[in-house]
Amino acid sequence: GAVVSQHPSRVICKSGTSVKIECRSLDFQATTMFWYRQFPKQSLMLMATSNEGSKATYEQGVEKDKFLINHASLTLSTLTVTSAHPEDSSFYICSAKTGGSWTDTQYFGPGTRLTVL
Amino acid sequence: QKEVEQNSGPLSVPEGAIASLNCTYSDRGSQSFFWYRQYSGKSPELIMFIYSNGDKEDGRFTAQLNKASQYVSLLIRDSQPSDSATYLCAVTENNAGNMLTFGGGTRLMVKP
Repeated sequence: GAVVSQHPSRVICKSGTSVKIECRSLDFQATTMFWYRQFPKQSLMLMATSNEGSKATYEQGVEKDKFLINHASLTLSTLTVTSAHPEDSSFYICSAKTGGSWTDTQYFGPGTRLTVL
Repeated sequence: QKEVEQNSGPLSVPEGAIASLNCTYSDRGSQSFFWYRQYSGKSPELIMFIYSNGDKEDGRFTAQLNKASQYVSLLIRDSQPSDSATYLCAVTENNAGNMLTFGGGTRLMVKP
C-alpha cells in the first residue's frame, strides 16, 4: 500500500512552546491530507482536512489559530501546535488519500506522540 | 450528526476461532466502508474496504455490508494471537472529500 511518514514520532515540549509535525506521502501525490487526534482509549477524531494549495477545513471545536495547517505541496502537510499546553498532549496522526475520487482510500502515517509538560 | 457505533469489547476468542466484529452507522448517505486495525500505540492500518452490499473476502478476512440495515461487519477466520488489536470501522460519504467517520473501535483479544 501507499506509504505515509510523519516526523517526529515523539516530541516532548514545555508549555507555551510551538511544535511542528510533518506528514509526507512518500510514493504518491496526495491532494488531500487529514489530521486526526487520538486521546488514550478513544477513537480517532478528525481535526482538519488539508487540500494542497488552499486553506484547511477545520472540524467544529478545533481552533484554527492554535492548530496551523500548511499543505504546501502534493507530498507534504504540516501541523503546528502553537502555544502548546498539557491538554494538547495526544497522539496526532495524519492520513493521505491516494487520489481525488471518493473510492480512494486513506493511508495513515505512523503518528506523533506529543507530550506537553 | 453522523454516528458509527461499535461494541468496545473486549471480544475474546480462542486461537483458531472466527472473530466477528460488528459496526452500525446512522447516515444512509454513507457509501464506502473501511476496517482498520490499530495496535496499541500505533496508527491504524487498512485491512479492507467495501462499497457494495454482500461479502468481500481477502485472505482470512471477510467484510460484509448490508446497506438496508446500515450494518457492516468483519469476520476474521483462524484467529491468531497477532490479530489481537483494536479494530476500527470507518465510513464515508460519496464525495471527493472522502472524510472518514470512525467508530470507537472494538478491542479483540485472541487467546492461545
